[in-house]
Amino acid sequence: SQQGEEDPQALSIQEGENATMNCSYKTSINNLQWYRQNSGRGLVHLILIRSNEREKHSGRLRVTLDTSKKSSSLLITASRAADTASYFCATDPNDYKLSFGAGTTVTVRA
Amino acid sequence: ETGVTQSPTHLIKTRGQQVTLRCSSQSGHNTVSWYQQALGQGPQFIFQYYREEENGRGNFPPRFSGLQFPNYSSELNVNALELDDSALYLCASSLGDSSNYGYTFGSGTRLTVV
Repeated sequence: SQQGEEDPQALSIQEGENATMNCSYKTSINNLQWYRQNSGRGLVHLILIRSNEREKHSGRLRVTLDTSKKSSSLLITASRAADTASYFCATDPNDYKLSFGAGTTVTVRA
Repeated sequence: ETGVTQSPTHLIKTRGQQVTLRCSSQSGHNTVSWYQQALGQGPQFIFQYYREEENGRGNFPPRFSGLQFPNYSSELNVNALELDDSALYLCASSLGDSSNYGYTFGSGTRLTVV
């Protein structure tokens, strides 16, 4: 079973716009991580936010975490064509595995 | 970009056969995990190895087995292949507890079972 669920399933935006996707999870976590996957290849680690953190930034990425609502959001600002990919949230409820959601597919139109 | 190398890139096998997938972890990473990703879904955890010992296992049958070697390379073996085993298999390495560092994923092996 998958711990995290992303919303929306798909997102289409114009280049330069912001993209926001959400992740909900079910159990308590140590941290939550976001990954990007291009064209069904390997996953690239984007950002990790710990359970005692509320917000984190990395370049054009901003991640929030609300442990009371068991939810997180990923914001990509000023999107580019290269941001076209699938984005996954993954939770780390224990020390040895990540539980992924089904992902959000983002398409950035030129 | 990635320090994790997987081979082969693509593989076609016949139902009932056995397959071995290989992974070379990022230098110094003593933890390796394997994930299965079916088309249109998120990766599912198969198992993890830490210092050559299995450290945790997901909901996969015993015909999925693995090895980790002293040089941090690893293998995923699948016996008696079934059509549903067709998927992208991802190897991920980390330096100990992923809570601190996240995982570095390889580009995956696309397995097709016919």
